[in-house]
Amino acid sequence: AQSVAQPEDQVNVAEGNPLTVKCTYSVSGNPYLFWYVQYPNRGLQFLLKYITGDNLVKGSYGFEAEFNKSQTSFHLKKPSALVSDSALYFCAVRAYNNNDMRFGAGTRLTVKP
Amino acid sequence: ETGVTQTPRHLVMGMTNKKSLKCEQHLGHNAMYWYKQSAKKPLELMFVYNFKEQTENNSVPSRFSPECPNSSHLFLHLHTLQPEDSALYLCASSSGTSVNEQFFGPGTRLTVL
Repeated sequence: AQSVAQPEDQVNVAEGNPLTVKCTYSVSGNPYLFWYVQYPNRGLQFLLKYITGDNLVKGSYGFEAEFNKSQTSFHLKKPSALVSDSALYFCAVRAYNNNDMRFGAGTRLTVKP
Repeated sequence: ETGVTQTPRHLVMGMTNKKSLKCEQHLGHNAMYWYKQSAKKPLELMFVYNFKEQTENNSVPSRFSPECPNSSHLFLHLHTLQPEDSALYLCASSSGTSVNEQFFGPGTRLTVL
């Protein structure tokens, strides 16, 4: 079965600095990879996904993620962090032939002014 | 988030109570999901419905009983729950293929006394 690991429970960055939230995955066959964000008292919101093609995927709110097949990673990045980016971020993976999406435990991003 | 609604937003129940959670999606999707979110743990997929048919049951205890009368509505019936069942219960929907992202509701915060 597919799985996702988010090695950092917490990431702290200063506003204006670049941010990276890490994700590694395990799946049989080609992966479909997703990033979601969760703000307090809200459900998860979709940010971006990798299905096929270009390894660098651009998504909402200036976020992007890089798919690295050899390292089985899909790290989330943003060149310049905003205080409003502070939230809980989830990486998820799906195998190509089923609806079973597996999520990581989440990484709490805090951007300080 | 108005695409997927959940009621109630908060629920407190005793271990002998029977209650139901409701989810409705207005996106024309054909797949719906129940997830359990506990602090510092990955989201746990509970049930998957595709075109009203249950396609996934991830070893969920029988005290949780799902119902999907049509592609727009999903219920989770709760009976004789345990305190460890206290969590945020999230509903999601998608267009049903593995390449498509899921859209989440805001969740029901359940407390079992």
